[in-house]
Amino acid sequence: AQTVTQSQPEMSVQEAETVTLSCTYDTSESNYYLFWYKQPPSRQMILVIRQEAYKQQNATENRFSVNFQKAAKSFSLKISDSQLGDTAMYFCAFMKRIGIQGAQKLVFGQGTRLTINP
Amino acid sequence: NAGVTQTPKFRILKIGQSMTLQCAQDMNHNYMYWYRQDPGMGLKLIYYSVGAGITDKGEVPNGYNVSRSTTEDFPLRLELAAPSQTSVYFCASSYSTGGRNTEAFFGQGTRLTVV
Repeated sequence: AQTVTQSQPEMSVQEAETVTLSCTYDTSESNYYLFWYKQPPSRQMILVIRQEAYKQQNATENRFSVNFQKAAKSFSLKISDSQLGDTAMYFCAFMKRIGIQGAQKLVFGQGTRLTINP
Repeated sequence: NAGVTQTPKFRILKIGQSMTLQCAQDMNHNYMYWYRQDPGMGLKLIYYSVGAGITDKGEVPNGYNVSRSTTEDFPLRLELAAPSQTSVYFCASSYSTGGRNTEAFFGQGTRLTVV
């Protein structure tokens, strides 16, 4: 089965600290995209960062970076200088091929609830 | 561009009622999806479409129907609502680059309660 596991249901840190969210996944595909999505209380799913498995270099977006270990199938998210606005549910996901005509779907983990305290 | 627009944002249904969740995208994406998110869980795929007139089932299709008559619109129909369909529903769209879907764009979600 192709799955995503987020082992930390909840995390809490102080503002300005650095926090790392863990994610492991299992897929039989050789090339794929991995994602971290943020879901604040507004419910909106917001793409935080994306990594192509073909690329060895870890993706970075401002304060967000990933540690991608393809052999270990690990994809952790590091948030530096955390801010109150980072408080949200974070989902790790990858794109999996499905069904017909090149369609792909996102396979999600169960999420990590991150709270940034003032 | 408005992106992916879902309506309504909230709805309460009685058991046995029916309704249609609307979804429209203005990005000319071929692929469109309906996911549901149960409390404390990730999203699960209900149905998807690869273009106008072509749809297929996802992981949890029972109790739902879809149609795709245009590239822009992908409505989700709930027939005979049941409490198990209480969930948050997300519509999404994506495009393919070099045979890979590089990103999914999500609507704001619909919170549905069946009582």
